[in-house]
Amino acid sequence: EAQVTQNPRYLITVTGKKLTVTCSQNMNHEYMSWYRQDPGLGLRQIYYSMNVEVTDKGDVPEGYKVSRKEKRNFPLILESPSPNQTSLYFCASKLRGVGTDTQYFGPGTRLTVL
Amino acid sequence: GEDVEQSLFLSVREGDSSVINCTYTDSSSTYLYWYKQEPGAGLQLLTYIFSNMDMKQDQRLTVLLNKKDKHLSLRIADTQTGDSAIYFCAAINDYKLSFGAGTTVTVRA
Repeated sequence: EAQVTQNPRYLITVTGKKLTVTCSQNMNHEYMSWYRQDPGLGLRQIYYSMNVEVTDKGDVPEGYKVSRKEKRNFPLILESPSPNQTSLYFCASKLRGVGTDTQYFGPGTRLTVL
Repeated sequence: GEDVEQSLFLSVREGDSSVINCTYTDSSSTYLYWYKQEPGAGLQLLTYIFSNMDMKQDQRLTVLLNKKDKHLSLRIADTQTGDSAIYFCAAINDYKLSFGAGTTVTVRA
């Protein structure tokens, strides 16, 4: 089954404790992206990757890191989480960066930073 | 970056048509999308329109694009209870996808 998986689905942590949210897709997609969803703000793009070893900042990259060492994985790293990073995070992938290719979304990771 | 705006709430009676409006700022956006998010789920692509089109119809969904005014709308005909969800408008430019805040559509019996 074609899918995007994220882990963990729920995470409660404390300020400053490094964490990684994993994202994996099994569709051989070139393009992957991370978003955060906040009430009244919709989805905002954090980082995206056009292909292996190619990453670019989205609209809200501060406080986040990503890596794309393999095509299927695109982990999101919070080196020193802060309460304003409490949010719902979605990973997504699509075949290419532009056009009508459907973007597949993961189920979301709800992060709470105390 | 691109700003995408849409109204936050819409209440509609079952069987009526729903119209969700969206405006965007970047006239060079190539594709415009509508996504649906059901409670507790990720986003599902509903439909899209290329920027050189005015209208696209797909079963109960009609997308209208006024490129001059940078205005996009989604009409859902014969709205059903299963259409209750958050609908996001999005625009793509330079490989970056910008989303609106989402319109929560509530379908009442």
